[in-house]
Amino acid sequence: DTAVSQTPKYLVTQMGNDKSIKCEQNLGHDTMYWYKQDSKKFLKIMFSYNNKELIINETVPNRFSPKSPDKAHLNLHINSLELGDSAVYFCASSQEEGVRSYNEQFFGPGTRLTVL
Amino acid sequence: AQSVTQLDSHVSVSEGTPVLLRCNYSSSYSPSLFWYVQHPNKGLQLLLKYTSAATLVKGINGFEAEFKKSETSFHLTKPSAHMSDAAEYFCVVSDRASNTGKLIFGQGTTLQVKP
Repeated sequence: DTAVSQTPKYLVTQMGNDKSIKCEQNLGHDTMYWYKQDSKKFLKIMFSYNNKELIINETVPNRFSPKSPDKAHLNLHINSLELGDSAVYFCASSQEEGVRSYNEQFFGPGTRLTVL
Repeated sequence: AQSVTQLDSHVSVSEGTPVLLRCNYSSSYSPSLFWYVQHPNKGLQLLLKYTSAATLVKGINGFEAEFKKSETSFHLTKPSAHMSDAAEYFCVVSDRASNTGKLIFGQGTTLQVKP
């Protein structure tokens, strides 16, 4: 009965590799997000999709590519991993009802990525 | 542009004493404000939200926050701390200018609860 789930929970990989993180929500929400939390616990939005359409794309290297096969899934693919990509990545979802900014977001448990 | 500033990076209280976590915001619109909590190695959980209704907002686990427009503040309080309250707390404003649902996070406050 998990609301927002992410896999894997931990990901350890070498520099230069390509990896993916998967996110699924069973809340029926139509908007999903990816956030990055750095080592100082600062959280910043990376991407947002609404009904499979990209609506937020912050200043993120183009090595990061989100993919939304349907509105319940938002995956994050990272090419050519770098040391600086090490962080915790959180997926979130929300339901758009009128003004977007009123709507709380539900977060997944996070994926801790370590690049060696 | 919207922003939030959490005035304390670390707060330490004794169990059973009041908790005050301070947050100031900057917004050119009437803001939507949230407090989220992150327990160690966990995701973020919504504690409460303000969306221009009552200025005193009650949340889960006995937390509440008061929106004060004149002070541009949204401080989080709890009358009596419990050991399980030890966590990272984030004050968050929604970027209403873009109407994208984008959340802007404060730097976080680590709450330590001593027995």
